Amino acid sequence: DTAVSQTPKYLVTQMGNDKSIKCEQNLGHDTMYWYKQDSKKFLKIMFSYNNKELIINETVPNRFSPKSPDKAHLNLHINSLELGDSAVYFCASSQDRDSEQFFGPGTRLTVL
Amino acid sequence: QQPVQSPQAVILREGEDAVINCSSSKALYSVHWYRQKHGEAPIFLMILLKGGEQKGHDKISASFNEKKQQSSLYLTASQLSYSGTYFCGTETTDSWGKLQFGAGTQVVVTP
Repeated sequence: DTAVSQTPKYLVTQMGNDKSIKCEQNLGHDTMYWYKQDSKKFLKIMFSYNNKELIINETVPNRFSPKSPDKAHLNLHINSLELGDSAVYFCASSQDRDSEQFFGPGTRLTVL
Repeated sequence: QQPVQSPQAVILREGEDAVINCSSSKALYSVHWYRQKHGEAPIFLMILLKGGEQKGHDKISASFNEKKQQSSLYLTASQLSYSGTYFCGTETTDSWGKLQFGAGTQVVVTP
């Protein structure tokens, strides 16, 4: 059973397009996260939701909009994609701030 | 504020030991350690909390010096499977629930 799943695994698209990445966790966790890992492997938090409420919103362009329809899902929509958005995006979940984070397999986004 | 990890990379022979350090310029609430292999997701190793509590795998050991705002991860009797990039993530006392990850330490264990 997959704990944290993401779709799609790979996403190749043109500059200016709009795309979404979906994330689901079946661990019953209350908190979900989006991270961006760039080509230098730097892992940076973007957003965090707790029980469908946004609790962390880092300095991210407003072209990025997370949406949490329920506790088990956290989606990421990106408008007007730019070359610099190319990266691997990881979704993660945890029970609370003092617990381990379980990462999804990642979505490799390539903007041409 | 991103924590600073050292060294950037280390090469070990099987059976050797290594220490990876993580330091913060701000007071810490917790330190998380993760390992990531190429093309895969980060995998949890250890959490160290302010006050001394630790959660993690039995075969991994780490320390947390709250006063010095530092943590160290100890790789003992390394195995080939220990190869990967190790990240520390720190949550400062003024930033609830937000993990900032270091740049990573690449570990290569050779036969």
